[in-house]
Amino acid sequence: EVQLLESGGGLVQPGGSLRLSCVASGFSFSGYGMSWVRQVPGKGLEAVSSISAGSGNIFYAESVKGRFTTSRDNSKNTMSLHLKTLRAEDTALYYCAKAADNTGSAPFYFFDLWGQGTLVTVSS
Amino acid sequence: DIQMTQSPSTLSASVGDRVTITCRASQSISTWLAWYQQKPGKAPKLLIYMASSLKSGVPSRFSGSGSGTEFTLTISSLQPDDLATYYCQQYSSYSQTFGQGTKVDIK
Repeated sequence: EVQLLESGGGLVQPGGSLRLSCVASGFSFSGYGMSWVRQVPGKGLEAVSSISAGSGNIFYAESVKGRFTTSRDNSKNTMSLHLKTLRAEDTALYYCAKAADNTGSAPFYFFDLWGQGTLVTVSS
Repeated sequence: DIQMTQSPSTLSASVGDRVTITCRASQSISTWLAWYQQKPGKAPKLLIYMASSLKSGVPSRFSGSGSGTEFTLTISSLQPDDLATYYCQQYSSYSQTFGQGTKVDIK
């Protein structure tokens, strides 16, 4: 089955850290860019970070730059997001998402496969 | 960053109605635009990419148009299953920004 499965969310105090994981199955993971997209409950979507298929290009939203680190291990079909110096405004459901286009024809990513999300709550 | 603005924020329509949602970009994004449908408690689902290309398996009542800075998503005949929030997303720049969403209610 083609799917993405996130894990690692939870309750963390302001200033704390967390590591999220996304395990892919059913497609050639190493051939596609991947992203983390977050959603505050009841609110809109924000692309947090993207990583190219071979990890050569990594992008971060300004809101998380310097605090979040994205990586991937193609041998394990896994992408990770390390969240540091967490703030209350980082509270959200974090989705991993697969780039739909692996031809390189599009400038950046749009997404044809999403996980179910993992909830990060930053609160004292 | 490129800002994406959707209108309206909410709309209520009857089954069978034609529904149009607008998305405006703060600068030209050519046709690098996607539309998603998100049902309550679910992850977003891709409907349209490259402004007007329908993803395989998506009902033909959904269509997209536009280029540059102004785009529309049209549902030609609203169905009960279309109750959802719809988002546009630009992928012209690394920020890959989304619109704020349009919630569609069924009257």
